[in-house]
Amino acid sequence: QKEVEQNSGPLSVPEGAIASLNCTYSDRGSQSFFWYRQYSGKSPELIMFIYSNGDKEEGRFTAQLNKASQYVSLLIRDSQPSDSATYLCAASSNNAGNMLTFGGGTRLMVKP
Amino acid sequence: DAGVIQSPRHEVTEMGQEVTLRCKPISGHNSLFWYRQTMMRGLELLIYFNNNVPIDDSGMPEDRFSAKMPNASFSTLKIQPSEPRDSAVYFCASSFGGTGANVLTFGAGSRLTVL
Repeated sequence: QKEVEQNSGPLSVPEGAIASLNCTYSDRGSQSFFWYRQYSGKSPELIMFIYSNGDKEEGRFTAQLNKASQYVSLLIRDSQPSDSATYLCAASSNNAGNMLTFGGGTRLMVKP
Repeated sequence: DAGVIQSPRHEVTEMGQEVTLRCKPISGHNSLFWYRQTMMRGLELLIYFNNNVPIDDSGMPEDRFSAKMPNASFSTLKIQPSEPRDSAVYFCASSFGGTGANVLTFGAGSRLTVL
């Protein structure tokens, strides 16, 4: 069982809608959580990270963290076709030397 | 800054041949990571260095894989001998901060095909 789990998708949403991407993790020692976006044939690029329980908003993106439930999510408001990509959730833990463990990614498709 | 630079971008080789992938991290970054990405296994950490010292190589699949970082601006990942199951995209990433610092900047990747 992977330490960071994501639904592989594809998740399909219409343009302008809210896309909700979810991630669960198994290591309770995980302290920092990251969302990366990866376009097909490209490398992952950081969208945002979150350390504390609750919500963190950056532009159209909101990350949500619930450590009790071991759950992280990413909301994308006003989804655009250019948001179509694979979204990778990653967690780091002091137990693992703060190395990042990535989930398998969720493929998002935003339809015009 | 030019970002993390990897070479070659594409490599096609035959089984049994030696493959060397190269990486130049972002200047000033003190941690360097090698990842492998496949459809089946996703993004897997192979090894990471902090201040040029290998910290954790538990992800290196077997003795055929080796990695070096002779100085702060250069690292290599070598596969000898290569096998078809090594076909993947290999990413190098770097970051600044303490051991295993988190915010990674990835290179463009090296796509390896072993026939």
